[in-house]
Amino acid sequence: AQSVTQPDIHITVSEGASLELRCNYSYGATPYLFWYVQSPGQGLQLLLKYFSGDTLVQGIKGFEAEFKRSQSSFNLRKPSVHWSDAAEYFCAVGFLYSSASKIIFGSGTRLSIRP
Amino acid sequence: DGGITQSPKYLFRKEGQNVTLSCEQNLNHDAMYWYRQDPGQGLRLIYYSQIVNDFQKGDIAEGYSVSREKKESFPLTVTSAQKNPTAFYLCASSPGDTVTGELFFGEGSRLTVL
Repeated sequence: AQSVTQPDIHITVSEGASLELRCNYSYGATPYLFWYVQSPGQGLQLLLKYFSGDTLVQGIKGFEAEFKRSQSSFNLRKPSVHWSDAAEYFCAVGFLYSSASKIIFGSGTRLSIRP
Repeated sequence: DGGITQSPKYLFRKEGQNVTLSCEQNLNHDAMYWYRQDPGQGLRLIYYSQIVNDFQKGDIAEGYSVSREKKESFPLTVTSAQKNPTAFYLCASSPGDTVTGELFFGEGSRLTVL
């Protein structure tokens, strides 16, 4: 069955430090991959997406993600975090299911920033 | 500004009562979705609609109902049959296919059953 795993429930990093949030998926083919960010009590906003082509994709707010087919991963990175990056981050996977399409969200990783 | 408006932001209800959450979009998107968010569980799809007057059940549709009479509106009713309705509900829309299209989210409605 298709699934998305975000193994880290909560991560704390110091302001200015680098960040990597992990995402692994289970799917027989190359899926469509997304990262969304959610500030407390708000909806989700798309950070970046990967469909095909260059496996390193750039997004908004200085984020990037790398698709690694061999590891079934799509990890999110940022070289230097800012206090405003504190939020919850969701990895999502889109795939074709029978004649329809479907998107599955991971359980999220909450990011805290240490001053 | 274009976007998705959900109301109310906070809602309290007594057990046994039905409640309707509003979702309106002015993005001219064809597809609309309702998700439920619980701590540590990510987002789970309740219902979705890809066209007016048509909608499909998602993964956790039991105890919920929807309608799509207008392109811009997709209200969700949480019925008394929903066993555990306390949650954060998110409405989203997309211009086309979910798989390839970005989802645009509202700010959510938090429902608490007393």
